[in-house]
Amino acid sequence: EPEVTQTPSHQVTQMGQEVILRCVPISNHLYFYWYRQILGQKVEFLVSFYNNEISEKSEIFDDQFSVERPDGSNFTLKIRSTKLEDSAMYFCASRETGRGPDTQYFGPGTRLTVL
Amino acid sequence: AQSVAQPEDQVNVAEGNPLTVKCTYSVSGNPYLFWYVQYPNRGLQFLLKYITGDNLVKGSYGFEAEFNKSQTSFHLKKPSALVSDSALYFCAVRDGAGGYNKLIFGAGTRLAVHP
Repeated sequence: EPEVTQTPSHQVTQMGQEVILRCVPISNHLYFYWYRQILGQKVEFLVSFYNNEISEKSEIFDDQFSVERPDGSNFTLKIRSTKLEDSAMYFCASRETGRGPDTQYFGPGTRLTVL
Repeated sequence: AQSVAQPEDQVNVAEGNPLTVKCTYSVSGNPYLFWYVQYPNRGLQFLLKYITGDNLVKGSYGFEAEFNKSQTSFHLKKPSALVSDSALYFCAVRDGAGGYNKLIFGAGTRLAVHP
């Protein structure tokens, strides 16, 4: 069964450094998402991406964040200058079509630790 | 704004007993509701969803959920709990306001099934 994959599983970085989190969505999916989960808190939406552009972003997704689909298979989240409060589990998700109830399938997540 | 609430932080059940994990929702328009499960150090796995039609939705691993419009609830149920069902369960609602259908998650309920 096709799955969403994410690398790395765990990333440790120093405050102020740039990180890139990588995702490979399910191959025939068209809509891509990033969510994050700070330890002990709920899963929060960050951004959605369709047709090579951001379709919606939350207030969390400020200028330090960017997303890209560089090669038609990978979907990346970049944090330009990490802060301590960026420490969280980051989940990528993908969905097949634009019809409302289609299911989002999530990857296993990348745990980001900012020191 | 769309929202879901999971009133219980933790639910404890003995193996073999029925389990219920509660979720209530607040939406404008038709609700599209989802349940996901998160095992330790794993991503979010889709269990089931309600779109329209039958109020009892059947999903993976023997789980089902009952949609109740008058009570604005979508409780997750299983007739006979297994120790392996112990995990974190999230209820979510589709927020289609932006057109790209991000998910709004509840805070999660930790299910502990005791032998």
